Amino acid sequence: GQNIDQPTEMTATEGAIVQINCTYQTSGFNGLFWYQQHAGEAPTFLSYNVLDGLEEKGRFSSFLSRSKGYSYLLLKELQMKDSASYLCAVRGNNNDMRFGAGTRLTVKP
Amino acid sequence: KAGVTQTPRYLIKTRGQQVTLSCSPISGHRSVSWYQQTPGQGLQFLFEYFSETQRNKGNFPGRFSGRQFSNSRSEMNVSTLELGDSALYLCASSLTSAGANVLTFGAGSRLTVL
Repeated sequence: GQNIDQPTEMTATEGAIVQINCTYQTSGFNGLFWYQQHAGEAPTFLSYNVLDGLEEKGRFSSFLSRSKGYSYLLLKELQMKDSASYLCAVRGNNNDMRFGAGTRLTVKP
Repeated sequence: KAGVTQTPRYLIKTRGQQVTLSCSPISGHRSVSWYQQTPGQGLQFLFEYFSETQRNKGNFPGRFSGRQFSNSRSEMNVSTLELGDSALYLCASSLTSAGANVLTFGAGSRLTVL
């Protein structure tokens, strides 16, 4: 089967750093994606990892360890507008994209 | 460049009815994927189409079906609606479904089954 697990909810303070973890067990691996989804809106693409290591894009970074089936999304200098759900997704052998249930992040002042 | 367009945005049906949802992908995108989103389950993969062919299918009953037309527009159909089919149905398009190709999502069709 396929499992993509991430915490259901997290809370952090404005200006802080938060790390959202994702573990996966899937049929094959052709890349891991992170999406952001604000309430009532469509998911939007944040980052893509296919090789082990850290990808940095402004305040957001994403890390991948294929041998451990593990990724994290790191958000720095949190802003109130970062309050959203963060979705981890894995592209499998058949190139289908499967998503975790999402982590709802609340940023407090 | 227009985004992914889904219609209708909202609809209410009763149990036993059927529904058809439409998705127009970004111009030039040939892959269209459909997802069901509910609060408890997150995004559940329904199916993916590329060049009018269904290439992948999720674990949904046969009541859920779809198709893609030659202009890459896609439709999904749910027959014999059940209360549990109430959800946000999201369509996403990409150039292809391989590698780093990013899915771009539409705003979704919110279905309520009474």
